[in-house]
Amino acid sequence: DTEVTQTPKHLVMGMTNKKSLKCEQHMGHRAMYWYKQKAKKPPELMFVYSYEKLSINESVPSRFSPECPNSSLLNLHLHALQPEDSALYLCASSQEVRAFYGYTFGSGTRLTVV
Amino acid sequence: DAKTTQPPSMDCAEGRAANLPCNHSTISGNEYVYWYRQIHSQGPQYIIHGLKNNETNEMASLIITEDRKSSTLILPHATLRDTAVYYCILQNTGNQFYFGTGTSLTVIP
Repeated sequence: DTEVTQTPKHLVMGMTNKKSLKCEQHMGHRAMYWYKQKAKKPPELMFVYSYEKLSINESVPSRFSPECPNSSLLNLHLHALQPEDSALYLCASSQEVRAFYGYTFGSGTRLTVV
Repeated sequence: DAKTTQPPSMDCAEGRAANLPCNHSTISGNEYVYWYRQIHSQGPQYIIHGLKNNETNEMASLIITEDRKSSTLILPHATLRDTAVYYCILQNTGNQFYFGTGTSLTVIP
């Protein structure tokens, strides 16, 4: 298995809802990442997990809460989002944090906040 | 942090070579140049990377100038499936990776 699987592919949520995005990989990678991508903009790094521990938080608002329950799973819990949080959320993984050329990206979850 | 500058868009005729430039005049000595591409509605895909020497793989070639202040990604025979946004990225000293604005390449039949 050489893929990163993200679910759901599309999500519409209200500003008072709580939802979660899921990312899964079975390549034995020990680093996992969340990126946010607005329309016609490049991906922006949000969080980095290394060996299941949060190593980088790029000053992301607390309404986004990441979780890494095990080495294959990465979740992004969403609560009280704003319409401006609507974006494509990309998950990626790599063997190690420094192995950038080994990044594998999922196809993303397209989130719409109404 | 070192940054990259790319033209916002380029066109290329199908079957011809696509040459995508990238300027990175403030690159540090130990920073690699990476290229990724993103086809519409998909996640970014790794293409190639290099430090000083030119590199080639089954997808593309990477030419880095001797002073390392710029590089060019070459797709030798562009196809319609190569239409995508191409990102030139530097790995900075903090081992954090930031995407630049990229070049939107359109391959024309």
